Amino acid sequence: QKEVEQNSGPLSVPEGAIASLNCTYSDRGSQSFFWYRQYSGKSPELIMFIYSNGDKEDGRFTAQLNKASQYVSLLIRDSQPSDSATYLCAPVVFGNQFYFGTGTSLTVIP
Amino acid sequence: NAGVTQTPKFRILKIGQSMTLQCTQDMNHNYMYWYRQDPGMGLKLIYYSVGAGITDKGEVPNGYNVSRSTTEDFPLRLELAAPSQTSVYFCASSYSIGVKREGNIGTQYFGPGTRLLVL
Repeated sequence: QKEVEQNSGPLSVPEGAIASLNCTYSDRGSQSFFWYRQYSGKSPELIMFIYSNGDKEDGRFTAQLNKASQYVSLLIRDSQPSDSATYLCAPVVFGNQFYFGTGTSLTVIP
Repeated sequence: NAGVTQTPKFRILKIGQSMTLQCTQDMNHNYMYWYRQDPGMGLKLIYYSVGAGITDKGEVPNGYNVSRSTTEDFPLRLELAAPSQTSVYFCASSYSIGVKREGNIGTQYFGPGTRLLVL
């Protein structure tokens, strides 16, 4: 059973703060990781992907990967109310990308 | 490009009825997927296809069937609907899987979803 664990939240942060979203995974065959954002009542959309250990930055978003610890995170700097959504972690395991975490609900308070 | 389209947007079924959820993509993607998402939960893979004529089961295939006769279309068939199939169904497509040296080819593009209520 491949497991992807995320804190379900809700995570609340004030506007302008850093939001930190975490994801752990059980399968050491996980090779790369996708982060999707899902607004309430909408379909998921890609935010970022990462496949090398370390940090990857894209605008206000930074993904961090530590394969030894089986841990991937997403940091959102200068959080905005428009960032309020559920964030889904999706690992690619042995060439298959079929598993999504249950998601972390983020609320940015103005 | 319309991307991934799904019909219908919303449907109410009675127990025991059958229906087909339609999914079409115009991005010439090889891979297509069907997921269900229950309230407050993540996405569960029902079936997927790596190309026309090739389909395989995902995590929760029971009660569903699929076919892939063309690259563009990937319909999901519900036979003998049950209340446990009440959910939001998302179709998605991708060019391939994961990340390769040439870049990200694994992004999944999702349709708007079909909300199904079985009473």
